[in-house]
Amino acid sequence: DAKTTQPPSMDCAEGRAANLPCNHSTISGNEYVYWYRQIHSQGPQYIIHGLKNNETNEMASLIITEDRKSSTLILPHATLRDTAVYYCIVRANFGNEKLTFGTGTRLTIIP
Amino acid sequence: DGGITQSPKYLFRKEGQNVTLSCEQNLNHDAMYWYRQDPGQGLRLIYYSQIVNDFQKGDIAEGYSVSREKKESFPLTVTSAQKNPTAFYLCASSILTRTGGNTEAFFGQGTRLTVV
Repeated sequence: DAKTTQPPSMDCAEGRAANLPCNHSTISGNEYVYWYRQIHSQGPQYIIHGLKNNETNEMASLIITEDRKSSTLILPHATLRDTAVYYCIVRANFGNEKLTFGTGTRLTIIP
Repeated sequence: DGGITQSPKYLFRKEGQNVTLSCEQNLNHDAMYWYRQDPGQGLRLIYYSQIVNDFQKGDIAEGYSVSREKKESFPLTVTSAQKNPTAFYLCASSILTRTGGNTEAFFGQGTRLTVV
């Protein structure tokens, strides 16, 4: 499995954009970048995923660099409810391999 | 509603007893996973299964056992051999696909096991 590196913690002011970086320098050509978040004492929740193009949905945007070695998850207008641990993982999109999470980034939204 | 259900939410056991955590999904997913999470830590993979009657060890399988007799069920047994069983346990499921596509994992709400 390709590994990911994320900063352990970040703060963001409420209403501002939260930009969460992830390095995945050993990602292979068939691996997608997935983002999940875990609010305290709950199961992780899927946010978004992408291969090489930038992606946007109702929750967030995902920007993947052209060389695919890093990506950024953007929460455009952070709210207090976005305080959570955010996990970036890479995974071949057939689902037939173990799904491994790192330690993630603890994002705290400041009022 | 479709989803993945873990029960119970809280579980207390005496040291030395085996305990089984339930995980059921009605999403028709082939793959299922068990994770352990300790306070302030990330998720660590215990076991995973891609098909009925087959499963593989994850990164921390020692002291745990699983079965996959039915597609919708993947129970985890925490045995007395697990030295530090007190933790938050999460179950997840996802599809398998031959052609690619979104294979997002769906998680249960977890079982918090306390061994005294």
